[in-house]
Amino acid sequence: SYELTQPPSVSVSPGQTASITCSGDKLGHKDVHWYQQKPGQSPVLVIYQDTKRPSGIPERFSGSNSVNTATLTISGTQAMDEADYYCQAWDSSSVVFGGGTKLTVL
Amino acid sequence: EVQLVESGGGLVQPGGSLRLSCAASGFTFSNYWMTWVRQAPGKGLEWVANIKLDGSEKYYVDSVRGRFTISRDNAKNSLYLQMNSLRAEDTAIYYCARQSYGDYSNDYWGQGTLVTVSS
Repeated sequence: SYELTQPPSVSVSPGQTASITCSGDKLGHKDVHWYQQKPGQSPVLVIYQDTKRPSGIPERFSGSNSVNTATLTISGTQAMDEADYYCQAWDSSSVVFGGGTKLTVL
Repeated sequence: EVQLVESGGGLVQPGGSLRLSCAASGFTFSNYWMTWVRQAPGKGLEWVANIKLDGSEKYYVDSVRGRFTISRDNAKNSLYLQMNSLRAEDTAIYYCARQSYGDYSNDYWGQGTLVTVSS
């Protein structure tokens, strides 16, 4: 079965850029979506189809996807961005999530 | 405003059954694929199943195939998940989510309903 691999944790200082990666075989050929989940809340879609932002998502959130790695980038990270982030892709009639990355804003 | 409201969770013994419901409003329900996603306590997200607009296609994660059944009633704007032969590892918050038009992302999520499988 297809697997998506994320780092368990990423730390960033306020105002700096955070990058969260998601790796999978030939992932660049698939659409990758990203979700933010804060404690006790439901997930929120922050990036879809690799690079697109839903309405209401701040411009500091961006995405890219190439070869085997997709990346969620948060520019000018704020304390409110501290959360778990999950990547998602589709493979062979099945949807797969990455294991999640806990972003800590120190 | 799009709203998804899950119900039906609770405590059930191993081997038991439970039926989850999701009431949708604020959009044309019959125009969207719908999805169930679960999250075990302290763990990550796991896709469970999805269903096509008219219910004619259904897909499941391997771990629930043959035990869970996803269904929908477009006249009632409702999504369901029938869960049979429940196991301890099925314990999780179950989220109902709308699948975006044209791809597999989930643009709206419910608040979730907790299913606990324990004796």
